[in-house]
Amino acid sequence: AQSVTQPDIHITVSEGASLELRCNYSYGATPYLFWYVQSPGQGLQLLLKYFSGDTLVQGIKGFEAEFKRSQSSFNLRKPSVHWSDAAEYFCAVGAREYGNKLVFGAGTILRVKS
Amino acid sequence: DTAVSQTPKYLVTQMGNDKSIKCEQNLGHDTMYWYKQDSKKFLKIMFSYNNKELIINETVPNRFSPKSPDKAHLNLHINSLELGDSAVYFCASSQGDGFSNEQFFGPGTRLTVL
Repeated sequence: AQSVTQPDIHITVSEGASLELRCNYSYGATPYLFWYVQSPGQGLQLLLKYFSGDTLVQGIKGFEAEFKRSQSSFNLRKPSVHWSDAAEYFCAVGAREYGNKLVFGAGTILRVKS
Repeated sequence: DTAVSQTPKYLVTQMGNDKSIKCEQNLGHDTMYWYKQDSKKFLKIMFSYNNKELIINETVPNRFSPKSPDKAHLNLHINSLELGDSAVYFCASSQGDGFSNEQFFGPGTRLTVL
């Protein structure tokens, strides 16, 4: 069965430091890969998406993600974190073979310390 | 203008009651979804509608009944509420399929069953 793993439940970084959030997936098909962000009390907002082409994808708010097929990973990165980036981040995977839906990881809560 | 709106934002009720949550999107999308986010923030799809037709029903108890009067609305009715139904319920929409296109999320409805 398809699954999405975000191994880090919480991550704390200092403002201005770099960030990497991990995501691994288990799919037999070529998946569509997404990162969403959820600020407290809000719905989810798309940061970026990958399906094909350049394996380094740029998103909104200065985020990027790299697809590594050999590692079944789609890690999210940001060179310099701002206090406003504190939120929960969800990796999600979709594939035609598994129906008209996304499967979400459990999320990673990002805390930013000043 | 709010793209995906849900009412109410908070819902506190007693076990055994029946309640409804409403969702409306003004994006002109043809597909709408209901997700449940439990206390551990795990986000799982419940239902998906495309052009008012049910296309995903993810083994949700019969007490949950979605209704889509038109493409822009997807309501969720819950009968005989149980303690385990306490969660945040998110409505979302997309244009086209739900595995490759961006989904736009509402702000969520926090349901508390006492």
